Amino acid sequence: AQSVAQPEDQVNVAEGNPLTVKCTYSVSGNPYLFWYVQYPNRGLQFLLKYITGDNLVKGSYGFEAEFNKSQTSFHLKKPSALVSDSALYFCAVRDKGGSGNTGKLIFGQGTTLQVKP
Amino acid sequence: NAGVTQTPKFRVLKTGQSMTLLCAQDMNHEYMYWYRQDPGMGLRLIHYSVGEGTTAKGEVPDGYNVSRLKKQNFLLGLESAAPSQTSVYFCASSYQQGGGQPQHFGDGTRLSIL
Repeated sequence: AQSVAQPEDQVNVAEGNPLTVKCTYSVSGNPYLFWYVQYPNRGLQFLLKYITGDNLVKGSYGFEAEFNKSQTSFHLKKPSALVSDSALYFCAVRDKGGSGNTGKLIFGQGTTLQVKP
Repeated sequence: NAGVTQTPKFRVLKTGQSMTLLCAQDMNHEYMYWYRQDPGMGLRLIHYSVGEGTTAKGEVPDGYNVSRLKKQNFLLGLESAAPSQTSVYFCASSYQQGGGQPQHFGDGTRLSIL
C-alpha cells in the first residue's frame, strides 16, 4: 500500500539555524512527491515538488527538499529558519492506485514547525 | 484571481440537520477534491471529481454526497449530520495534464455538529 510518513509531530529550531522536516514514503515505481505548508486558519499552500531529475528541488520562500531514492525519503530543508516559517507542513505523494491519472494525493500526518527568536 | 473559494467559512449544525458546502474555482481546473482535516490525521480524501458530471469516492466517503454539475463548482453535502463529522473541510483543484500538477486549496470550512 502507498503511504507517507512524517515521523515528527513537531520540530523546534532557533531563528537563523538550519531546519529539516522529515518525510518518508512507500510507493511502487517512481514517486511524485510534494510539500505543502499550512498557516493558521488557512488552506494548504504548495511549496515544491519532485517529479524527476535533480534530487535537490528548490521551492518557495527559500525552502528546498532532497529526494533520496535509496532511503525513500524527501526531507524538507531550509538553510536559515525565520520565525515566520512557523506553520504546519505536509508531505504528500501522488496516489498511483487504480486506473488512469486522477491527481489524487496521499498526505502525511503533518509536522508543526516552531521557530523561536 | 480568487483561486479556490469555499462557502461558508464557519457553520454550526445540530445532529440530523443537512447542509451543503460549496467550492468554486476560477482556474479552469478539471480535477476537484474534498478533504477533511482532523488533528493528528492529516488530510483525508472524501470524494473527488475528474471532470464535469463525474464523481468518485475517496478514503472516507460515508455520510457525504457530492455533485459537479458545472466544471467550476464542486458541492459537498451532508444529508444527516453527525458529531463525528465535526471537522475542517478543504476543497482543492488541479489541472489534468501529467501527474505532477499541484493541488490548489481553499481556506476551509469549519463545521461543528452539536
